[in-house]
Amino acid sequence: KAGVTQTPRYLIKTRGQQVTLSCSPISGHRSVSWYQQTPGQGLQFLFEYFSETQRNKGNFPGRFSGRQFSNSRSEMNVSTLELGDSALYLCASSGITGKYQETQYFGPGTRLLVL
Amino acid sequence: DQQVKQNSPSLSVQEGRISILNCDYTNSMFDYFLWYKKYPAEGPTFLISISSIKDKNEDGRFTVFLNKSAKHLSLHIVPSQPGDSAVYFCAARRNTGNQFYFGTGTSLTVIP
Repeated sequence: KAGVTQTPRYLIKTRGQQVTLSCSPISGHRSVSWYQQTPGQGLQFLFEYFSETQRNKGNFPGRFSGRQFSNSRSEMNVSTLELGDSALYLCASSGITGKYQETQYFGPGTRLLVL
Repeated sequence: DQQVKQNSPSLSVQEGRISILNCDYTNSMFDYFLWYKKYPAEGPTFLISISSIKDKNEDGRFTVFLNKSAKHLSLHIVPSQPGDSAVYFCAARRNTGNQFYFGTGTSLTVIP
């Protein structure tokens, strides 16, 4: 099976701009989660989508939003970029057993630099 | 509030020796625990997991131990190899809310 893919891999934006990141999950996986990784902060959970619905949300401001399409592909949008949004954004997909997520598998990430 | 903690930011081990990475958690609702390995500029790669109904799970050179009473998780790598040098994240899934929580990572360096 192909793994999780994320596009673009690298992105440079300036403050105030907005950005859209894309994630294609492993075939058959219906749950997609997004994380932000910054040095020393580990992986901070942004949100999880399942069947086109946001099921869980982390503690990030409303500038961070996402959506999931019927084919399980997901996009994440950040509006009004700030310098502190510079980070590696990771997407993870998982299957579902009953009501629980199975193991999450990660994509390579999108490195966002805000100038 | 960091519910999954990795208190050692870094660890150095000689090649061939055992590497022990530790992880503590605070939420008794966690029922599934995982370890991931991450190289720079790549996404985390799943290594090994353990359910809360077990106290040990082994996969080749990797063994995960779970001590529920202490809310402590550890990953043993034996023998350690230079290619094991990476950042290791532990993660836990809550049995309600269905969300994964990650630690801040431990950078392992295996010295040849």
